[in-house]
Amino acid sequence: GAVVSQHPSWVICKSGTSVKIECRSLDFQATTMFWYRQFPKQSLMLMATSNEGSKATYEQGVEKDKFLINHASLTLSTLTVTSAHPEDSSFYICSAPDSLRDYGYTFGSGTRLTVV
Amino acid sequence: AQSVTQPDIHITVSEGASLELRCNYSYGATPYLFWYVQSPGQGLQLLLKYFSGDTLVQGIKGFEAEFKRSQSSFNLRKPSVHWSDAAEYFCAVDGGRGATNKLIFGTGTLLAVQP
Repeated sequence: GAVVSQHPSWVICKSGTSVKIECRSLDFQATTMFWYRQFPKQSLMLMATSNEGSKATYEQGVEKDKFLINHASLTLSTLTVTSAHPEDSSFYICSAPDSLRDYGYTFGSGTRLTVV
Repeated sequence: AQSVTQPDIHITVSEGASLELRCNYSYGATPYLFWYVQSPGQGLQLLLKYFSGDTLVQGIKGFEAEFKRSQSSFNLRKPSVHWSDAAEYFCAVDGGRGATNKLIFGTGTLLAVQP
């Protein structure tokens, strides 16, 4: 089936630095990628939707200058957390519509970001 | 606005016992419904989905779910729980069918399985 590879699985960074998270669709073309954030013991909250070759659409309350999303190709979408602060520590997950499986969504394995 | 409610935050069942996880949704049209499972520190795995047709949907790992339009529910069931089923379970609805196609998740139900 369709696979979305997400890297890194976990990352620790210092406050003020930037971190890039990559999601790659391995055997299908992901024209759309959804980025979610999950706080401990909470549900997934959609942050933004990226579309290949165009600007991402951010959900209300999500700072677009803080969370930079790039979807430069049909197989790669990236989320960059800029000038990270401890409150940005969270679990980030990407997801792409899976046209290979009669609709549905394929999720990456997630990235645990810890900002110290 | 579309929403998904999972009334049970935490459920504990004995291994071998039956399981039912509740999910209620609010959606203006025929929904696309999903159940996902998440192990600690992992991404989400699709258990099953409902689009149309037979309201009883079979999924992986022995799970099934029944769509009941009159109750706006899509409860997940399993006749006999295994210890490996301990995880967090999320119900989701496609909130933008034909538009943004984005998933709206419930708050999740954490399942514990005791020997």
